[in-house]
Amino acid sequence: DTEVTQTPKHLVMGMTNKKSLKCEQHMGHRAMYWYKQKAKKPPELMFVYSYEKLSINESVPSRFSPECPNSSLLNLHLHALQPEDSALYLCASSEGLDRVYGYTFGSGTRLTVV
Amino acid sequence: KNQVEQSPQSLIILEGKNCTLQCNYTVSPFSNLRWYKQDTGRGPVSLTIMTFSENTKSNGRYTATLDADTKQSSLHITASQLSDSASYICVVSGNYGGSQGNLIFGKGTKLSVKP
Repeated sequence: DTEVTQTPKHLVMGMTNKKSLKCEQHMGHRAMYWYKQKAKKPPELMFVYSYEKLSINESVPSRFSPECPNSSLLNLHLHALQPEDSALYLCASSEGLDRVYGYTFGSGTRLTVV
Repeated sequence: KNQVEQSPQSLIILEGKNCTLQCNYTVSPFSNLRWYKQDTGRGPVSLTIMTFSENTKSNGRYTATLDADTKQSSLHITASQLSDSASYICVVSGNYGGSQGNLIFGKGTKLSVKP
């Protein structure tokens, strides 16, 4: 298995809803990442997990809450989002944090906040 | 400031033709450079990754070159197909020792292949 799987592919949620995005990989990668991508813009790093511990939080608002239950899973819990949070949310993984390793991206979750 | 600049911003070519996309970067110290293909609304898919000691790397009809001295890279697509229509993103990774997750993304080149 050489893929990063993200679910759901599409999500529409209201500003008062609580939802979660899920990301899964079975490549034995020990680093996992959440990115946010707006239309026609490059991805922006949100969080980095290394060996299941949060390594980087790029000053992301607390309405986004990451969780890494085990080395294969990465969740992003969403609560009280704003319409401007609508974007493509990408999960990625790599063997380690050494930049020599290639990143594998998931197909993304298209999030729409109404 | 660490930056990655891509050109052209967009490109339209006819099916079967070749094209070359450019990437200039100012990231220092440099670790590696990657080219990704991203279809609209989908995640990026890796095409090539090169370290400073590699000058060229191929992946099927895609050939990437790297000149670490001039800090330039190119992605050449041969015999383009309609399925090559996508955004092509150049991503440079800096070597910051203990730092993590430091990928610098270019804004991409949007390629459209027409029949």
